Amino acid sequence: AQRVTQPEKLLSVFKGAPVELKCNYSYSGSPELFWYVQYSRQRLQLLLRHISRESIKGFTADLNKGETSFHLKKPFAQEEDSAMYYCALSGGGTQGGSEKLVFGKGTKLTVNP
Amino acid sequence: ETGVTQSPTHLIKTRGQQVTLRCSSQSGHNTVSWYQQALGQGPQFIFQYYREEENGRGNFPPRFSGLQFPNYSSELNVNALELDDSALYLCASSSMFSGNTIYFGEGSWLTVV
Repeated sequence: AQRVTQPEKLLSVFKGAPVELKCNYSYSGSPELFWYVQYSRQRLQLLLRHISRESIKGFTADLNKGETSFHLKKPFAQEEDSAMYYCALSGGGTQGGSEKLVFGKGTKLTVNP
Repeated sequence: ETGVTQSPTHLIKTRGQQVTLRCSSQSGHNTVSWYQQALGQGPQFIFQYYREEENGRGNFPPRFSGLQFPNYSSELNVNALELDDSALYLCASSSMFSGNTIYFGEGSWLTVV
């Protein structure tokens, strides 16, 4: 079964502190992993995907197949990082279409001044 | 380039009624997916449409149905509404020409009373 687990519902850090949002997954195959972010009163948007190996807004995430994890990290959190973060897994491309996503329940990150 | 737009933004229905939600995909996107997001949960995949055909379905009963039109806009229909159908319904569009990145709309909030 495909499953994404985000163990922390809420995470609170101070500005300038490192932050790590945890994500573990269950998938039989080669997964594609994503982090989506939803800022207050905005739509869900892609933050990063593991195949891109990019750093977006200072965030990085490394896929660890041994631990089946895809934790999101940022060395110095900013107040504007406060948002809801969702880890998602691609359920495999459907024929002709694009990925079906399986989401975790999300972690609400609050960065305090 | 216009983003994904959904209507209505909010609606209230009575148990047993039927509802239609609408989505206009981002310009040039031929794939539309629908997700249900209950309060405190991550989005759950309902189904996807590609070139006007259903192209993958999640674990939702047949009373959830959809359509995609030649201009790639889409409808989600839910019959015999139940209280548990109360949720945010998200439409997402994508295209292989945009690297299959999935773009979400702001959603339609459905309350069933």
